[in-house]
Amino acid sequence: DAGVIQSPRHEVTEMGQEVTLRCKPISGHDYLFWYRQTMMRGLELLIYFNNNVPIDDSGMPEDRFSAKMPNASFSTLKIQPSEPRDSAVYFCASTRNPGTSSYEQYFGPGTRLTVT
Amino acid sequence: GDSVTQMEGPVTLSEEAFLTINCTYTATGYPSLFWYVQYPGEGLQLLLKATKADDKGSNKGFEATYRKETTSFHLEKGSVQVSDSAVYFCALSTMNTGFQKLVFGTGTRLLVSP
Repeated sequence: DAGVIQSPRHEVTEMGQEVTLRCKPISGHDYLFWYRQTMMRGLELLIYFNNNVPIDDSGMPEDRFSAKMPNASFSTLKIQPSEPRDSAVYFCASTRNPGTSSYEQYFGPGTRLTVT
Repeated sequence: GDSVTQMEGPVTLSEEAFLTINCTYTATGYPSLFWYVQYPGEGLQLLLKATKADDKGSNKGFEATYRKETTSFHLEKGSVQVSDSAVYFCALSTMNTGFQKLVFGTGTRLLVSP
């Protein structure tokens, strides 16, 4: 399996521009997660989906952030308009729920976003 | 709410030294515990896990024992290598009602020199 795929790997944009990050989960996984990693706040869960439906978006920082999962093999995280404080590494992860709490999440390589 | 506390880094060691990275947790339920590792430029990957008290998770020479009485899950390795240089995350998950998300610690950077 190819693992979780994210694109782009690096994104540099100017403040005020729209940014779209993309993720392809592992085939057969029914849960997808978006995380943000910064030096100050560590690894934060932004939102997660089950069977393409958003379940918990309490970690989304503000209305400028939105996420969609139009089908089982694709998800996007959009920031509009972007701000310098959005600069971070954004990870996508997926898993198949085994019905216990000992499941493993599989992470993509991340997108490093820099907003100038 | 549930939380994980890890020792501050970086931890700097010479090759073949003994490693301990401390992790303690607070949880309302009965959590499963994990160590994830992040190598430079990569995403996190599961290193080991334990699902009940006194369980020992192990992988690649790393070990951690689930200690319910001290709410701890310390990571150890007897002899580190340069290739172990990475950021290590302790995490927990609980199964209260249905699916439960992972809660991560802040991560501890390990630097191993030759």
